[in-house]
Amino acid sequence: DARVTQTPRHKVTEMGQEVTMRCQPILGHNTVFWYRQTMMQGLELLAYFRNRAPLDDSGMPKDRFSAEMPDATLATLKIQPSEPRDSAVYFCASGRDRASPLHFGNGTRLTVT
Amino acid sequence: GIQVEQSPPDLILQEGANSTLRCNFSDSVNNLQWFHQNPWGQLINLFYIPSGTKQNGRLSATTVATERYSLLYISSSQTTDSGVYFCAVAYSNYQLIWGAGTKLIIKP
Repeated sequence: DARVTQTPRHKVTEMGQEVTMRCQPILGHNTVFWYRQTMMQGLELLAYFRNRAPLDDSGMPKDRFSAEMPDATLATLKIQPSEPRDSAVYFCASGRDRASPLHFGNGTRLTVT
Repeated sequence: GIQVEQSPPDLILQEGANSTLRCNFSDSVNNLQWFHQNPWGQLINLFYIPSGTKQNGRLSATTVATERYSLLYISSSQTTDSGVYFCAVAYSNYQLIWGAGTKLIIKP
């Protein structure tokens, strides 16, 4: 089965360090989403790409977060500098288009100490 | 914006029982999806069902768009069905609005 692949699965880092999370969407999917899940906030949309173009990143703290799609097989989410409040599970998801099933990766569990 | 309400918030059942989970939404939608988040945190897409009825094994879903609700049926439940079930909807854009989920526990 085709699946969304995220790396790393777990990341523990100290406050102030840079964190990079990677996502390989399903081949042929042209929409990519980054979500963050915490117990308190549930699932929050951080960024949305369509055909590699960033269409919405209003959910991200602009001063420290950035999201890019350097090519169709790779999406990245960077946090610099990281803070303890960034601790969460970060999910990448992809879909064939905006009106089709959304498929999630297994997530990156980030802990910032 | 669209509001999504799921019920019940929690459900505890014995293995083999059947269950019905409900998702109510406040406005017209053209995108409705059901997801299962298992105890290991994986989010699995169960159905893309903006209208009509679909079945996949022991699971089935029905969306009545005109009455603004969707139902997820789980028959002959198994312990592996435990987890949180989310309903998410959207209309004419990409941003899914998520319900708070139904936490299901299946006891052996």
